[in-house]
Amino acid sequence: SYVLTQPPSVSVAPGQTATITCAAKNIGSESVQWYQQRPGQAPVMVVHDDMYRSSGIPERFSGSNSGDTATLTITRVEAGDEADYFCQVWDFNGGHLGVFGGGTKLTVL
Amino acid sequence: QLQLSGPGLVEPSQTLSLTCAISGDSVLSTSAAWNWIRQSPSRGLEWLGRTYYRSRWFNDSATSVKGRITVTPDISKNQFSLELKSVSPDDTAVYYCARGTMAFNYWGQGTLITVAS
Repeated sequence: SYVLTQPPSVSVAPGQTATITCAAKNIGSESVQWYQQRPGQAPVMVVHDDMYRSSGIPERFSGSNSGDTATLTITRVEAGDEADYFCQVWDFNGGHLGVFGGGTKLTVL
Repeated sequence: QLQLSGPGLVEPSQTLSLTCAISGDSVLSTSAAWNWIRQSPSRGLEWLGRTYYRSRWFNDSATSVKGRITVTPDISKNQFSLELKSVSPDDTAVYYCARGTMAFNYWGQGTLITVAS
């Protein structure tokens, strides 16, 4: 089955750019979603289909996907962006399975 | 909105049962699927299964729980349910219901299910 690898943590100063990666062989051929999860809350989808922001998500959030790596980029990081971020794909080859990455804790210094 | 309900504690070897009530949408929607997802420190976020209607009902489930899981729609109450049989402490997690086909755009609030005697 598909395995999505994310760095456990990313730290960035306010106002800087955070880059969170999601790695898997040939992930560029899949549609990738990104979810933000704040402590004690359910995940919220921030990006779908590689690059499209969900309604109400700031333009500071963007996604890309090519080759073996999908990337969530957050520009002008704010304290409120501190959360866990998860990537997700749908594994058709594995029999219609929803697969999540292990998550990345974004810390705003 | 998705409103999840169910017991917080289940004994080992018993069946875990949860219900997700849908408002603002229909379980019969032909553009949606209705999913169960759980989260634990050991397993992270884990998709469990789904049901959806496309002229007839379809179900998919994760290989990790196949044979133990049943996801059932309830048209009269506009909700869907999860049954997970023969639970063990390893099934302890926060359980979520979520709407979406390949992307999960709406999530219920989540409920902690503890498997213990």
